[in-house]
Amino acid sequence: DSGVTQTPKHLITATGQRVTLRCSPRSGDLSVYWYQQSLDQGLQFLIQYYNGEERAKGNILERFSAQQFPDLHSELNLSSLELGDSALYFCASSVGQGTGTDTQYFGPGTRLTVL
Amino acid sequence: AQSVTQLDSHVSVSEGTPVLLRCNYSSSYSPSLFWYVQHPNKGLQLLLKYTSAATLVKGINGFEAEFKKSETSFHLTKPSAHMSDAAEYFCVVSDRTNAGKSTFGDGTTLTVKP
Repeated sequence: DSGVTQTPKHLITATGQRVTLRCSPRSGDLSVYWYQQSLDQGLQFLIQYYNGEERAKGNILERFSAQQFPDLHSELNLSSLELGDSALYFCASSVGQGTGTDTQYFGPGTRLTVL
Repeated sequence: AQSVTQLDSHVSVSEGTPVLLRCNYSSSYSPSLFWYVQHPNKGLQLLLKYTSAATLVKGINGFEAEFKKSETSFHLTKPSAHMSDAAEYFCVVSDRTNAGKSTFGDGTTLTVKP
């Protein structure tokens, strides 16, 4: 158990809908990272927050947004969902601001299915 | 820019034989390199990391990796495979100068035969 929690574990929704994925980092970790894992694209970095501020951005679509709250939990919002958004979404956390040496601890993931 | 290439998408070994998972990287700066393991329906777990200290890095569960700058490689090895090693393995390069943005390899699926 990494200490990172993600809810829900599974989410099934329809195209065009909007969903929110939630992540609670390990106690003491200030950075939260979001990743998307799909069969055709592999594991893709989406975005990182450090202590409430956006720190790094990856291949995140404009339909997706994220935020980190004062209690350090984070939410990933996915809107106007398409079939291709079906994937496993992982959250990870680390102590530091992601200088490249930080170890990231991964949550168990949320499996999103868009029908 | 940085990239990482895992040279084998699938590796199959017999229990008790050595494991070699190959990873080559490209980075404009001094990189940090990581190996993560993902068991079915689980999140990723760190096996080991290289961050510019010793080039031979020892990790959990008997795994180790050697950073070879001249070959831009960071191959993962284990002397003797266990059935429980069957999983997917990801090599990751992280740019220490770009907010630690990480690039993941496509993964190598390790199968261990009894």
